[in-house]
Amino acid sequence: EVQLVESGGGLVQPGRSLKLSCVASGFTFSNYGMNWIRQAPGKGLEWVAYISSGSSYIYYAETVKGRFTISRDNAKNTLYLQMTSLRSEDTALYYCARLEARGYVMDAWGQGASVTVSS
Amino acid sequence: DVLMTQTPVSLPVSLGGQVSISCRSSQSLVHSDGNTYLHWYLQKPGQSPQLLIYRVSNRFSGVPDRFSGSGSGTDFTLKISRVEPEDLGVYYCLQSTHFPPTFGAGTKLELK
Repeated sequence: EVQLVESGGGLVQPGRSLKLSCVASGFTFSNYGMNWIRQAPGKGLEWVAYISSGSSYIYYAETVKGRFTISRDNAKNTLYLQMTSLRSEDTALYYCARLEARGYVMDAWGQGASVTVSS
Repeated sequence: DVLMTQTPVSLPVSLGGQVSISCRSSQSLVHSDGNTYLHWYLQKPGQSPQLLIYRVSNRFSGVPDRFSGSGSGTDFTLKISRVEPEDLGVYYCLQSTHFPPTFGAGTKLELK
């Protein structure tokens, strides 16, 4: 069974940093590109970042570019999102999601890590 | 960015009924490789989104045939027949033809 489990969320002050992790199991992690997608409270879904299977290709949404860094450790089956200079508008549930390459579609999602940016 | 417009925002339904959700894009979703990367998700209350339909009309593994997707170019539809209680929640369309991938704002399917 494919599983993605996020961790590292919490309450953080504006301007501070936080690092999310996503541990994958049930599939060969190193064969898949991975995404972070977020959902602000009561709102819709926003794609945040993508990293290819071997970390050669990395893309960010304009809203987080220069502040967030996506990375992965294939030996540990783990995806990361380093978030710096956090703003109140970054408050959201952050999901990691696997990319099924043939369909350019996120076919498996974790349960999410909650990030609240507030003083 | 490609704007995805979903209608309606809210959709009351009776169990056993049939509904349609529309998703329109601000530009054609036909990729240069000839495929159309338009997908549908359901987010049940308190859960993460789950994939229902990929590339317009392909049902994902385990999705019942009560769900069907259609459309082309900029105009797409998700149809749900014989609605069951587990179908309630918010439906999202997603385009991944153009960068960045963008979602519709969602359609909430709820009981009448």
